[in-house]
Amino acid sequence: NAGVTQTPKFQVLKTGQSMTLQCAQDMNHEYMSWYRQDPGMGLRLIHYSVGAGITDQGEVPNGYNVSRSTTEDFPLRLLSAAPSQTSVYFCASSYSRSGLGAKNIQYFGAGTRLSVL
Amino acid sequence: KNQVEQSPQSLIILEGKNCTLQCNYTVSPFSNLRWYKQDTGRGPVSLTIMTFSENTKSNGRYTATLDADTKQSSLHITASQLSDSASYICVVSDFTGNQFYFGTGTSLTVIP
Repeated sequence: NAGVTQTPKFQVLKTGQSMTLQCAQDMNHEYMSWYRQDPGMGLRLIHYSVGAGITDQGEVPNGYNVSRSTTEDFPLRLLSAAPSQTSVYFCASSYSRSGLGAKNIQYFGAGTRLSVL
Repeated sequence: KNQVEQSPQSLIILEGKNCTLQCNYTVSPFSNLRWYKQDTGRGPVSLTIMTFSENTKSNGRYTATLDADTKQSSLHITASQLSDSASYICVVSDFTGNQFYFGTGTSLTVIP
């Protein structure tokens, strides 16, 4: 199993550019989510999905769009990048949204380091 | 406001020693509390998951405790190893299980 795969690993954008961060999992997980991690702050939830075709906002959704057309993929779109979106982005997946135990361990990707100039 | 606070912010211990990390939270009601280990430049890795009704959960040399009445949790690491050097993050899920609130982590350094 590859687990959770994020691409690209690094990206530099100019203000106003758009891009899509890719996330794919091969564990048939229902729940997928995107976080951003900034220095001195905990990870913050951007958007999440409880299954194909279902998405919802997290704590900091402004400036980001998501869609979930398949179980495996959950891309994060930046429509018009801003310097405030400079961060490390993590995608995560788990079997279900609220199950407990080993079956619902949340698996994280390696992260995408984004700089917006 | 839902918050998760961790202490200490950083910790340095000698290899082979034990240590305890603290987590206080205000998320209420909550579904579960998790501890993660995050190595530098990597994504977090799950260590333990506890429901509000569980008091303790172990994973090898890692033991997590939970006091839902005082809204406190701790992570105890025994016989530390150099590979334990990492950031340890406390995470609380709200009652829906959809929203997760992360602490800023405790940076642990184990020295020979």
